[in-house]
Amino acid sequence: KQEVTQIPAALSVPEGENLVLNCSFTDSAIYNLQWFRQDPGKGLTSLLLIQSSQREQTSGRLNASLDKSSGRSTLYIAASQPGDSATYLCAVIPNYGQNFVFGPGTRLSVLP
Amino acid sequence: SQTIHQWPATLVQPVGSPLSLECTVEGTSNPNLYWYRQAAGRGLQLLFYSVGIGQISSEVPQNLSASRPQDRQFILSSKKLLLSDSGFYLCAWSGGTTDTQYFGPGTRLTVL
Repeated sequence: KQEVTQIPAALSVPEGENLVLNCSFTDSAIYNLQWFRQDPGKGLTSLLLIQSSQREQTSGRLNASLDKSSGRSTLYIAASQPGDSATYLCAVIPNYGQNFVFGPGTRLSVLP
Repeated sequence: SQTIHQWPATLVQPVGSPLSLECTVEGTSNPNLYWYRQAAGRGLQLLFYSVGIGQISSEVPQNLSASRPQDRQFILSSKKLLLSDSGFYLCAWSGGTTDTQYFGPGTRLTVL
């Protein structure tokens, strides 16, 4: 059974810092992996989706990498801003047609 | 463009009372629909998903049920709420050419 973990559970950084959020999954045979953002009391917003054949995806200041063999993904945020403060969730689709398995999230606070 | 709605936004109910949460999607047809629950400090738990009208799959046995009376309407119900049903309930849809899911704004349920 696929399980997804995220470290750290919470992170607080000063504005302007570059930071890395980590995601690990137990079964390396995945269909794709996705990073979501959740603001307090709100729904989830998709940030980046990486197909199993890809190594990374980039959107603006965000870069997500995927290493299937080690069961890991990282979300890199460059030049962090207070508006980046949110919970970031990693999710994996184990196989085509199956549903997402979500990690517990990392709560990020960027201090002005 | 596609939009997803959930209501109510917040709900406070006594133990043993019934529940009905509604989710509707606009701008797409034959979407896959999902109900998730997010308990405080925990990841998203998939409760139900539906690939078509009247087709419901349950991921977690409990006192909740789901129905899909129309193509773009998904309802989460309970006959008698438990304290453990408190949480943040999210509806999502997927479909088309991408593998991502699009989430609604959520319903905060407190059972007293």
